[in-house]
Formats: sequence, C-alpha cells, structure tokens
Amino acid sequence: DADVTQTPRNRITKTGKRIMLECSQTKGHDRMYWYRQDPGLGLRLIYYSFDVKDINKGEISDGYSVSRQAQAKFSLSLESAIPNQTALYFCATKSTVADTQYFGPGTRLTVL
Amino acid sequence: GESVGLHLPTLSVQEGDNSIINCAYSNSASDYFIWYKQESGKGPQFIIDIRSNMDKRQGQRVTVLLNKTVKHLSLQIAATQPGDSAVYFCAEQPSGGSNYKLTFGKGTLLTVNP
Repeated sequence: DADVTQTPRNRITKTGKRIMLECSQTKGHDRMYWYRQDPGLGLRLIYYSFDVKDINKGEISDGYSVSRQAQAKFSLSLESAIPNQTALYFCATKSTVADTQYFGPGTRLTVL
Repeated sequence: GESVGLHLPTLSVQEGDNSIINCAYSNSASDYFIWYKQESGKGPQFIIDIRSNMDKRQGQRVTVLLNKTVKHLSLQIAATQPGDSAVYFCAEQPSGGSNYKLTFGKGTLLTVNP
C-alpha cells in the first residue's frame, strides 16, 4: 500500500551492528505496528503504538526497540543484530475507529 | 486449509475455476476476521473482512463465510485468475480490551495454472 512506506526495502548487515528500519504513513492513522514474518511462522507482533506517547511491547520484543517520532513515523531498531533476526519486517497502521490494519511493503533484513 | 498455528498448506487450481481457502480459529471471543493476500516480495494486502454478527460477506469476486459454531472461516475466489496466485492468510481479532491486536494464520499458497 503506497500510503505506508518502509525504508530500506532490503538490508544486509553483520552480527553486532545497529540497524534502524523506518516506517512512514500518510493515512493519518494513530495506531502503528511492527511485525516480523518468518517462513512457516506467520506474522508476529514486535511492538505497537497507539499514539506518539503510547508504545507497547508485542509478543517478541526482546532485542528490538522502537521510536514514534511523530504520528506518521514509527521506527524499529535492532541495537545489536544477531542472525536469528534475519526475517521480513512489516509496518502496519490502523485507525482508532476501524479494525483493518494496512501494511507497508516490508523490509528484508539479513544478518550475517 | 490453514489454521492459526499450522504449517503452510498449498492449493493449486486451474484458471477460471473457483478457489476455496479455509481457516480454523481457536478464540471464541474473536469478533472480527480479515483475509489478506500476500504476493511474493510484497506486503499483505487487505481483501475482505467480516464481523461475527454476519455469516457471509461478498466483495468483487471474493466471498468470506464465517461459521462460528465450528470456528471456521473460508475465502472463496470466483473465476480464479493467474494474478490471484499468492499466499492468503486469515487473521482474527478479539473483542474488548484486546481489540487492537490481530492474530494471524500462517497462510495458504494458492497457485493458479493457466
């Protein structure tokens, strides 16, 4: 969905490096989410944010941190990347008055 | 069909045939269900959704059926086209205080043969 953008689209990095993935949206939604997708495991929630001052851990937050810089921007950081963080990462947004989550195009991260 | 929690099944159909993709859910408190389509290299794309007070909802070439008695959800695609080839997965959302959170199935790979 062009209303939700993610950068970079692909990234290869080494173990121990700090990585930041960025998400921007023009949908005007208050709620934003970060997921990772692994083969055979489906989408798992890392962090979510209801607004700029409300950030919450998801089911797999260990090793990750987030920052909600503005309503439209939500970034995910890996402070010290490790190989098992190799995955597809998706950002999603949701309005507070509707239930549908809209996803960005994803970032493919490889940690060597 | 898939279940929220199982390996990725596959479905292969001929172009023009109808496709049915199934999903079993486990949370009887879920009151909102959604189907996504994910093409290779892309993010999940919303297809259709349904609330628990309905048992059927139709969109353009797609129909979602909900059977709350057996906690089963299905996606029907009419006149399947090669462009429908993708992974399809369902998601459920509980009512009440956890209604911000979707639980996703692992998906079904649909392949459409020309």
